[in-house]
Amino acid sequence: ETGVTQSPTHLIKTRGQQVTLRCSSQSGHNTVSWYQQALGQGPQFIFQYYREEENGRGNFPPRFSGLQFPNYSSELNVNALELDDSALYLCASSATPTGYTEAFFGQGTRLTVV
Amino acid sequence: GQNIDQPTEMTATEGAIVQINCTYQTSGFNGLFWYQQHAGEAPTFLSYNVLDGLEEKGRFSSFLSRSKGYSYLLLKELQMKDSASYLCAVRPDTGFQKLVFGTGTRLLVSP
Repeated sequence: ETGVTQSPTHLIKTRGQQVTLRCSSQSGHNTVSWYQQALGQGPQFIFQYYREEENGRGNFPPRFSGLQFPNYSSELNVNALELDDSALYLCASSATPTGYTEAFFGQGTRLTVV
Repeated sequence: GQNIDQPTEMTATEGAIVQINCTYQTSGFNGLFWYQQHAGEAPTFLSYNVLDGLEEKGRFSSFLSRSKGYSYLLLKELQMKDSASYLCAVRPDTGFQKLVFGTGTRLLVSP
């Protein structure tokens, strides 16, 4: 059984640029959620994807968008990068989109915006 | 609103027992999670409570009281490698798998 994997592990971008982060969910998991974790803080929920559609969103602006593919893998896209977007971006997968189930995280992508 | 509170930092000695408390206020409740996070790494799942009571997994135990909005993580026989941040997260009743995290408790284990 494979775990949640994310790529790349580290990334440096310039303010105003766009970035795409990738996530492969754990085997058998059809739901992917994305989180942003600033230094010294807990992760903040960005959004969730299920059946290739966004079905839940946190307090993030529209320049944060995503995709989910038929194999349940997912992308997080951030446009018009700002310095405050520098953070660890985490992907979590679950077996179902609702209900009582565990969530497992990938190793994260460290994004630095300069 | 949603609010998760846990102590910022705790210290303990190798071999000892430590209890990390978490109190929460959320709109609805669909479970409480504990994660371990070493510096610069992703959170690692430790436990999941949805019903009141104690869940035990080796050296780690987690307790939940839904009526009190309270949980704790108990770590026994502390080892140096247990030095990490411990994140308490609640899944509110949103209809999807959103987790609301506290800021984490940094545990320092000394020899």
